[in-house]
Amino acid sequence: DTEVTQTPKHLVMGMTNKKSLKCEQHMGHRAMYWYKQKAKKPPELMFVYSYEKLSINESVPSRFSPECPNSSLLNLHLHALQPEDSALYLCASSQGQGGNQPQHFGDGTRLSIL
Amino acid sequence: DQQVKQNSPSLSVQEGRISILNCDYTNSMFDYFLWYKKYPAEGPTFLISISSIKDKNEDGRFTVFLNKSAKHLSLHIVPSQPGDSAVYFCAASKLYGQNFVFGPGTRLSVLP
Repeated sequence: DTEVTQTPKHLVMGMTNKKSLKCEQHMGHRAMYWYKQKAKKPPELMFVYSYEKLSINESVPSRFSPECPNSSLLNLHLHALQPEDSALYLCASSQGQGGNQPQHFGDGTRLSIL
Repeated sequence: DQQVKQNSPSLSVQEGRISILNCDYTNSMFDYFLWYKKYPAEGPTFLISISSIKDKNEDGRFTVFLNKSAKHLSLHIVPSQPGDSAVYFCAASKLYGQNFVFGPGTRLSVLP
């Protein structure tokens, strides 16, 4: 039973569509993350929000737009994606900043771009 | 350039025996090392971590050993159980940073 909830679990979209991925946690965690994971590869960090402010953007293309409406919610807005953006998108949260704070992951959204 | 390496893509172990998963890193500035387990269709689950000032941390069947001079850590699972079959990721981080660097993972199969 995961404490980080991601919706939808699967998403198929065309290259001209606009969609959003959602992530929610109610553990009181103040740091939230978006990762991208391709098959047989490790998760790659995309964005970090700390206390609802964007603190890390790992040079992600602007067709990915993160949003943190409040401390429990994290969105990833998608627009004009490319086929190579097909991947598993993982959301995670941690109690605070710092590398000693283990991250709790959701089960991910599997995204397919047609 | 991979900062965290797991050179064995897969490992098979008999139930009840010890599983040893290895991880090497290149950046001596890492302060923490973490192990995550991932089942298919689920997100990674945190297992155990170790600070760079320690050389061993134990939690039940799981023990992580750190050899800083060799920039090497290992996860020992004993006794191994079929439910341990999963992909194991090693990750490293700095204390004042939020960027966890993950290794490529090792797929562990525990055979009954």
